[in-house]
Amino acid sequence: DQQVKQNSPSLSVQEGRISILNCDYTNSMFDYFLWYKKYPAEGPTFLISISSIKDKNEDGRFTVFLNKSAKHLSLHIVPSQPGDSAVYFCAGTPSNTGNQFYFGTGTSLTVIP
Amino acid sequence: DAGVTQSPTHLIKTRGQHVTLRCSPISGHKSVSWYQQVLGQGPQFIFQYYEKEERGRGNFPDRFSARQFPNYSSELNVNALLLGDSALYLCASSPWTGQKRNEQFFGPGTRLTVL
Repeated sequence: DQQVKQNSPSLSVQEGRISILNCDYTNSMFDYFLWYKKYPAEGPTFLISISSIKDKNEDGRFTVFLNKSAKHLSLHIVPSQPGDSAVYFCAGTPSNTGNQFYFGTGTSLTVIP
Repeated sequence: DAGVTQSPTHLIKTRGQHVTLRCSPISGHKSVSWYQQVLGQGPQFIFQYYEKEERGRGNFPDRFSARQFPNYSSELNVNALLLGDSALYLCASSPWTGQKRNEQFFGPGTRLTVL
């Protein structure tokens, strides 16, 4: 039972443009979300988080938007850089379980110079 | 500050053997979680420990076990290895308390191959 879904396995974007990565979840108890970036042969690197009490969180070039009614979140990267090319995972958790996160299957982003 | 460390980096075992994977969390972090990532999938939650107690367990068989030590490091044990246990095993640490209590930081993983 995939509680977090990333329906786009891959995305290609020109350098300097906006990258938008999408994530949907099914469990209405999820109230905290994380985005990670992963390079081959490395562990996931934490990017940005958002709590369900917010609908937007921004950190530099990265902004995460949360639409609770649609059970949907998105990660915006502006401007995109070649170094952003990686696999991006979103993860959600019902925070009353501690840090038991459920991950999506990832979206592979390629930023074209 | 050192990040999450895991050992070994790579491991090759045969079916039926057992394996022990090790993790040291970020200094000050008291919670450790273990995840399994198979090729093409996202990480799947196996265990979570806080203050040496199991706080959560994912949908994995009893062949999988773990423990956390007084210094907050952790071991993941897998008995009677199956071919399907071949995966990247990730350890993540988090502070558990404070403003950033839910943010998890991952180690580089241990690549386990079962032949």
